This record gives sequence, structure tokens and C-alpha cells, in this order.
Amino acid sequence: AQSVTQLDSQVPVFEEAPVELRCNYSSSVSVYLFWYVQYPNQGLQLLLKYLSGSTLVKGINGFEAEFNKSQTSFHLRKPSVHISDTAEYFCAVSDDKIIFGKGTRLHILP
Amino acid sequence: KAGVTQTPRYLIKTRGQQVTLSCSPISGHRSVSWYQQTPGQGLQFLFEYFSETQRNKGNFPGRFSGRQFSNSRSEMNVSTLELGDSALYLCASSLGRPGYEQYFGPGTRLTVT
Repeated sequence: AQSVTQLDSQVPVFEEAPVELRCNYSSSVSVYLFWYVQYPNQGLQLLLKYLSGSTLVKGINGFEAEFNKSQTSFHLRKPSVHISDTAEYFCAVSDDKIIFGKGTRLHILP
Repeated sequence: KAGVTQTPRYLIKTRGQQVTLSCSPISGHRSVSWYQQTPGQGLQFLFEYFSETQRNKGNFPGRFSGRQFSNSRSEMNVSTLELGDSALYLCASSLGRPGYEQYFGPGTRLTVT
């Protein structure tokens, strides 16, 4: 059975500093991987996805993620965060159905 | 293209009552999934409907049910409401095949008193 673990429930980071949100998954088959973002009082929206091909995936708002098959990880990164990046971020894995991690709250410190 | 819409956006109900939430997917999407989001449990999968058939189901009691109509619109129903059912209920639509992302609606905030 597939599962997703987001290792940090909250991540504080100073504005303009880099950030990495960690995600590990387990699955017995090839999977598709996603990162979603949820801004306050809104639904989730897709940041980026990995289906196949290049292991470095670029998404919206300057985010990128790297698929590492040997470490079964799909960590999300941004080189310089902005106050508007304050949100909750969800990693998800999909084969026949999609499973979400518990989310990581990103707090941007002034 | 219009996004996923959910109605109502906010709802207050009393314990023991029942509630029906509605979701209209993006045009052309045949898959609709429902999630319950709470601060303690995070995002939990309720069920997925594809072409009017329930394709996947999460670990929720039978009080939670759903259906999908021929136009892909979906409803979920919760009977005999409990205080613990207070949550944000999110609906998501997709083309329904692995690898296709889900598009989420803004959610229905249900408060049970």
C-alpha cells in the first residue's frame, strides 16, 4: 500500500531565505507525485507534479521539487521565500488513487 | 473554464441532523473525490466517484455517503451528525486517470453544535 510522510508539521523561515519541505513516500509500484498548496480559507491548488522523465520538476511561484527514487523522496524547495508563501503544503502520491500527506505549515518570519 | 464549485460554503447544523453537500466539477471531468479536513487529522479521503460509480472509499462510517449524477455533479450526505463531523469538506475533480491532478473547490465549512 502506498503512503506519504511529511516529516515536518511546521517550518518557520525568514523572508528571502531558502526553504525545503520534506516528503517521503512508499509504494510498491511506479507512482506519480504531486505538491499542492492551500492558502488560508481556500481549497488546494497544484504547485507541481512528477510523472516521469527529468527528476527536477519546476512549478508555479518559483517552487521546484526533486524526485529521488533511491531515497523515495520528493522534497519541495524554493530559493527565496516571500510573505505570500505563507500556506499549508501537501505532498501526494498516486497510483490508482491519490494519497495526501498530513501537510506542512510554512511560516514566513519578517 | 469554470472551476470546481461547492455549495453551500458554510453550514451550521445540530447533532443528530443530516446534511447534504453539493459539488459541481470542471466541465469534462468524470471523477469527483471528497475529503474531510480537520486540524487534528489533516486531509482524509472519503470517497471517489467516476461515471456515477463509487470507485474508491476511505475509512469512514456508513453515515457518510455520496452519489454522482449523469452530469458528473456529486453530492455527499452525512446522517446523524456528530460534533466530530465539524470540518472543512473539500471536493476535487479530475479526468480520473492516474497522473492527472485533482482540481479542488473552495470547500464547505460544516459546524455541528
